[in-house]
Order: sequence, then C-alpha cells, then structure tokens
Amino acid sequence: DGGITQSPKYLFRKEGQNVTLSCEQNLNHDAMYWYRQDPGQGLRLIYYSQIVNDFQKGDIAEGYSVSREKKESFPLTVTSAQKNPTAFYLCASRSAGGGEQFFGPGTRLTVL
Amino acid sequence: QKEVEQNSGPLSVPEGAIASLNCTYSDRGSQSFFWYRQYSGKSPELIMFIYSNGDKEDGRFTAQLNKASQYVSLLIRDSQPSDSATYLCAAAEGNNRLAFGKGNQVVVIP
Repeated sequence: DGGITQSPKYLFRKEGQNVTLSCEQNLNHDAMYWYRQDPGQGLRLIYYSQIVNDFQKGDIAEGYSVSREKKESFPLTVTSAQKNPTAFYLCASRSAGGGEQFFGPGTRLTVL
Repeated sequence: QKEVEQNSGPLSVPEGAIASLNCTYSDRGSQSFFWYRQYSGKSPELIMFIYSNGDKEDGRFTAQLNKASQYVSLLIRDSQPSDSATYLCAAAEGNNRLAFGKGNQVVVIP
C-alpha cells in the first residue's frame, strides 16, 4: 500500500523537552510538508522540502527544526523554544508537477 | 501572505439537500484550487481540485471556479450524514505551497 505514515499517533511532552515526529512516504513524492492545526483553525505551514537535503521555512517555523536526508522521510523536531506546541501535526507530500498534497494521519502532541 | 477565506459559520442541511460552500482568495496569481474534507480528529482528505474557470463535477460533488471574482465554491448534492465534516478550501501559491482557509463545518441532519 502506498501512503504516508506518521508516528506516533499521540505524543506527550514535558515542558523543556525536545520531541521528534516521524513522517515517511512511499509514494515517491518529491515534496514534503509539515503543518500545524489548532482547534477551529486552518492549517499553518511550518516547514517544507521540495528535494532531498533542502528545505524552506514556512509561516511558523520558530521553535521547530527539520531534516530531509532521504526522499522518503521528513522528520520534524519540536524544540523547547516552541512556547505553545500542543496541536495536531500533519505531514503531507506532493508529486513533482502535481499541485495536490496528500496527508498522513497526523500526530497529536500534548504538552504536560 | 496569501489569504483564503471561508467566512460562513456551521452549515446545517437536511439529508438529501444541497450543501453549498464558498471560498474567496486574495492572490490573483493562484491557478489551482483544492477542496479537502476533514472528519473530526482525522487528517484532511482531498475530494476535488479545479484549475479552469467553470464547473467540475465528480459524483455528488461540483467545484466551481470564478477567477475574475476570485472565488471557489463546492456543492454537495444529495447530502448524506457521512458528508458531515469540515471542508477546507486551499489555493496554490508560488513555490509549490498551498494556502488554506479555516474551514466550514457541514452538519447533515437525517
């Protein structure tokens, strides 16, 4: 089955901790994206990557970091500098030449 | 930052009726538009995309695009309880990004 997987589904973080969210795709898509969704809000872009070893900041990159060492993988680290990290995190991917993005199932992060 | 607005509050429709959702966008350069459906607690699922002015139909869904007026709409015919969800409108920006609206909740009443 082709698709996008995110893990874990639920994640709890203590204040001051860094945590890493996993995103893997086997769709052979070139571009990958990380979004954050808060209750009643739309999706806000954190980071995106259009090719391996390259990524760009989105609209709310502060307190987050990413890497893109493999085409299939785009992990997101939520650092202790992110002051309000409790949210639903969504990873998406897009094929070269295609406009539509496809989403993984999401990770719900809660800060204790 | 490019804006996509979905201003309507929750929409309640009786089962079998037509649900109509509207979306406006600020970037005249946007060429492609997408509608996603998101069930509560789940991730968004692409249901329609449209690139050209006019209507595009797919089953019970019709997307309408008017570039001169900068609006996109989604019609859901013969609404079913399974259509109860939040619908997100998105417009393609430059650099292969999408700008999303905040969504419209649809409730189909049996």
